[in-house]
Formats: sequence, C-alpha cells, structure tokens
Amino acid sequence: SQQGEEDPQALSIQEGENATMNCSYKTSINNLQWYRQNSGRGLVHLILIRSNEREKHSGRLRVTLDTSKKSSSLLITASRAADTASYFCATPSGGSNYKLTFGKGTLLTVNP
Amino acid sequence: GAVVSQHPSRVICKSGTSVKIECRSLDFQATTMFWYRQFPKQSLMLMATSNEGSKATYEQGVEKDKFLINHASLTLSTLTVTSAHPEDSSFYICSAATGPGEQYFGPGTRLTVT
Repeated sequence: SQQGEEDPQALSIQEGENATMNCSYKTSINNLQWYRQNSGRGLVHLILIRSNEREKHSGRLRVTLDTSKKSSSLLITASRAADTASYFCATPSGGSNYKLTFGKGTLLTVNP
Repeated sequence: GAVVSQHPSRVICKSGTSVKIECRSLDFQATTMFWYRQFPKQSLMLMATSNEGSKATYEQGVEKDKFLINHASLTLSTLTVTSAHPEDSSFYICSAATGPGEQYFGPGTRLTVT
C-alpha cells in the first residue's frame, strides 16, 4: 500500500508563482524525502527532512514536516518552466531505512 | 554527485524472449540496489532489494523466477525479465544506496514487449 499520498495530483501554475505540494503518510518515520522526476526519466533527490526537523530549505525549495499530522509539504518559490515535472515524497518502509515507499506524486506544470 | 547508469534506455522485444537490464553505480560503491517498476502516470513500485553477494529480496507479489536479479559487484546489478509478455511492458528504474536515506536513481529503461 502507498505510504505517502500527495495532493494535488496535478497542479498547473504560471511562471513566477509558488507551487505547494502536500504529502501524507501513515506510519511513524525517521525521515521523509522529496524527489523530482522529469517525464520519462529517473528520479532526482531534492531534499531529506528528518523527524526532528520541522522545516528545511534548499534554494527555492522549502519543506515542512509535521509528525503529529503525519504530513509534509514542498514549496517551490518563484517557479520556472524548467520546474515542470512530477514530484514524489518517499518514506522509509518495511522497518528498513534503506527501502523507500513512494507516494503517488504531483504533476506540476509551470506555464511560461 | 553520485551517478547511476542504466542500460539499455529503451528496449523492444518479442513476447517469450528474455531481456536483461543493467544498473551501474559509476563513481561509488553501492551496498544496496533497488529495482522499481513504474506504469504511465503512476508512482514507483518497489520490486526487489538487491545486496551484493546475496540473494535479492522480492516484494510481495513479484515473481522471483520471472524477474531475476543478480548483484554481481558493488557497482553492478542486473534485472532479467524472463519470458517477457506484453503486460511486462513498463518503465524499470534502478537506484543505489550507500546507506540509509537518499537513493541515487538511474535514468530508467523503457521496456516494450510486442
């Protein structure tokens, strides 16, 4: 079963706008990761946030984690057309810190 | 950064034949490699976890005799889809890990079985 569930499933915005994607998960975790996938390509790791962190920044990315609500959000500020991609959250699964379970993903389209 | 390659990037094969996909970590040694399958517009589904020198651990519902995994070295894992059928057509992605946390993904292999 899916550990992470993202919403929205699809998001279309204009260049320059901010994009917010959310992820919910079911079990306790010690970290949560966000990945990006361009169409027909592999995944690229964006950011990892640990369970004792509430917020983390990397460039135009801001990730929050609320362990009490079992949810995380990914904010992309000042979006660019090149940010168009699918974004997935991933959490450790099966009692292993190595294995990851991916959410269904959010398809972000940034219109120029 | 850590680079993972996959070969081939695309393959078309006839029903009943076998196809081998290679996953290599180019500039690091991976203690663990993972194989995922992804259908169009869907998420990644983990198929198996591969550790160098030991048998792969398959996820529930994945046929180990159909999807043969060999982790020959710390930089190479192979996935062989045996007796492929059209329903095996999918996007197969590998990843490599050096420890808990971040995984480094290959670019994926598009398999089409005719």
